[in-house]
Amino acid sequence: DADVTQTPRNRITKTGKRIMLECSQTKGHDRMYWYRQDPGLGLRLIYYSFDVKDINKGEISDGYSVSRQAQAKFSLSLESAIPNQTALYFCATSDARGAKNIQYFGAGTRLSVL
Amino acid sequence: LAKTTQPISMDSYEGQEVNITCSHNNIATNDYITWYQQFPSQGPRFIIQGYKTKVTNEVASLFIPADRKSSTLSLPRVSLSDTAVYYCLVPTPGGNEKLTFGTGTRLTIIP
Repeated sequence: DADVTQTPRNRITKTGKRIMLECSQTKGHDRMYWYRQDPGLGLRLIYYSFDVKDINKGEISDGYSVSRQAQAKFSLSLESAIPNQTALYFCATSDARGAKNIQYFGAGTRLSVL
Repeated sequence: LAKTTQPISMDSYEGQEVNITCSHNNIATNDYITWYQQFPSQGPRFIIQGYKTKVTNEVASLFIPADRKSSTLSLPRVSLSDTAVYYCLVPTPGGNEKLTFGTGTRLTIIP
């Protein structure tokens, strides 16, 4: 969905490096999410945020941190990247005022940690 | 936990109607059932959502029996472009804020 933009689309990094994945949205939604997807598997929730001052851990938050800089921006950081963090990362948004938590996803960031 | 079970994979020929059934035995009273579609290397895309009976939109229909312990996504007259993974979701405990994606159903349309 072009309303949810992830940058970069692809990233190759080395073990131990700190990297940041960025997500911005123009949908005006208050809720934002970060997921990772490994080959052949479903999506797993890393962190989610219901507004600028609200950050919550998902099921696999270890090794990751997030920052909600504004309602429209939610970034994911890998403090010290390791190879098993190689995955496809998705950002999503939803509107608490609308239908029951329908989430809108970005195109994804493919991350490779060597 | 509100867990869903759906077939790992399905094949169908072009032009056929495809029905994918999902079981969610522990669905809570207020939970909605939501289906997403995901193409390779793309983010999931919302298809349809329902609470009970039948919901229809321009893409699909969703059938939910009275006990709400299962639901069936129906795709009419599928084409090759419907080849994708389809996820059935109900909220995880604690409200509708979190979603748990299983492995989904990999639908392959055969020419």
